Amino acid sequence: QVQLRESGPGLVKASETLSLTCTVSGGSINNNNYYWGWIRQPPGKGLEWIGSIYYSGSTYYNPSLKSRVTISEDTSKNQFSLRLSSVTAADTAMYFCARHIRRDSSGSVRNWFDPWGQGTLVIVSS
Amino acid sequence: QSVLTQPPSVSAAPGQKVTISCSGSSSNIGNNYVSWYRQLPGTAPKLLIYDNDKRPSGIPDRFSGSKSGTSATLGITGLQTEDEADYYCGTWENSLSAGQVFGGGTKLTVL
Repeated sequence: QVQLRESGPGLVKASETLSLTCTVSGGSINNNNYYWGWIRQPPGKGLEWIGSIYYSGSTYYNPSLKSRVTISEDTSKNQFSLRLSSVTAADTAMYFCARHIRRDSSGSVRNWFDPWGQGTLVIVSS
Repeated sequence: QSVLTQPPSVSAAPGQKVTISCSGSSSNIGNNYVSWYRQLPGTAPKLLIYDNDKRPSGIPDRFSGSKSGTSATLGITGLQTEDEADYYCGTWENSLSAGQVFGGGTKLTVL
């Protein structure tokens, strides 16, 4: 059974770079059936997808965050990582990693996230 | 402002049925598949429905999903107090702002 766990600093200063790592156990990220994604949730608000990475290293990013986001993978450690630059208070959120299943089916996209990590809270301080 | 529109809240009594709507457009729900997630207080979201109407292993058949045109609906029958949670719909957006999009979430209260 695949499990994911986020790790990284819980406090980041404004204008600096947020860095988080997701460690996957129970399955390999080097698998052509899956993407691996990051989703965040500001306190008291809804979910926002940040981006996803495929085993080959190709990525999809949320257009609204694309200029500040880098998602990478380390298959030797079975981990994938998120870097978000130039953070502000608006980036304060719970950050989740998740396995992202995405398929193109006759011109339509089938996609969902399962399972999710427990999440890690990142606070941006001024 | 979310791309997908959900009612902020719904409520029903234990044992009753409730539905949660998710409204989108031709560039998202109208041409792609919908998934639904439940988020209990203080926990991570959990997949309830994928491919519009399919339940992952372990999700009881009290939960159902459907899609028609540019809208989707999550149904929950036999409500239990532990169903009290936030529910989110999600799908892929095909427009210039392409990517995964979620609804704003619906808080279900079991009275």
